[in-house]
Amino acid sequence: GAVVSQHPSRVICKSGTSVKIECRSLDFQATTMFWYRQFPKQSLMLMATSNEGSKATYEQGVEKDKFLINHASLTLSTLTVTSAHPEDSSFYICSARSPGTGNTEAFFGQGTRLTVV
Amino acid sequence: AQSVTQLGSHVSVSEGALVLLRCNYSSSVPPYLFWYVQYPNQGLQLLLKYTSAATLVKGINGFEAEFKKSETSFHLTKPSAHMSDAAEYFCAVSEDNAGNMLTFGGGTRLMVKP
Repeated sequence: GAVVSQHPSRVICKSGTSVKIECRSLDFQATTMFWYRQFPKQSLMLMATSNEGSKATYEQGVEKDKFLINHASLTLSTLTVTSAHPEDSSFYICSARSPGTGNTEAFFGQGTRLTVV
Repeated sequence: AQSVTQLGSHVSVSEGALVLLRCNYSSSVPPYLFWYVQYPNQGLQLLLKYTSAATLVKGINGFEAEFKKSETSFHLTKPSAHMSDAAEYFCAVSEDNAGNMLTFGGGTRLMVKP
């Protein structure tokens, strides 16, 4: 299957700083990428849908000014957590959908565990 | 709206024993259902998916799942557990058959004892 790489796998940052997480499709071009997060002992929740060359679509309750998503190329989407707070500590994971007709399969990165201290 | 409930955040079985991971869903439209596995420090890998064809779905690594509409369930089974099956398993539901915009369950960590 296709490979999606997410970096970093773990990051610890100080409260108030910003953190950037990268999601790359290594062997295919991804027109659409999805960002999920998982709080401890909770489900993975979709945060936003990122489309190459256009603004991301955020799910209800997700602050677009806090979670900045950029999908400037067909192989890279970035999620920046701005002015991070301890309550942003979570597991963030992306998935990427390959282009094609109809609904093509989405492939997942390995996730990023963010700890804000 | 869609939701998924996985009963049991941790399941422990002996090597060679039956694996049963439970998943119940709620959906206002005919659902597409998925099981993913996550090994330590790796991304989610698709095990199998139900897309309204056969109700018994066979996946990779010997896993299978049966869609039961009357019970709103999609439990994952494997006849004989291997040590290599130890991982986190996620059940998910989507409105499309490709696994985009998924709603996940809370996950079940499977432990396999020698």
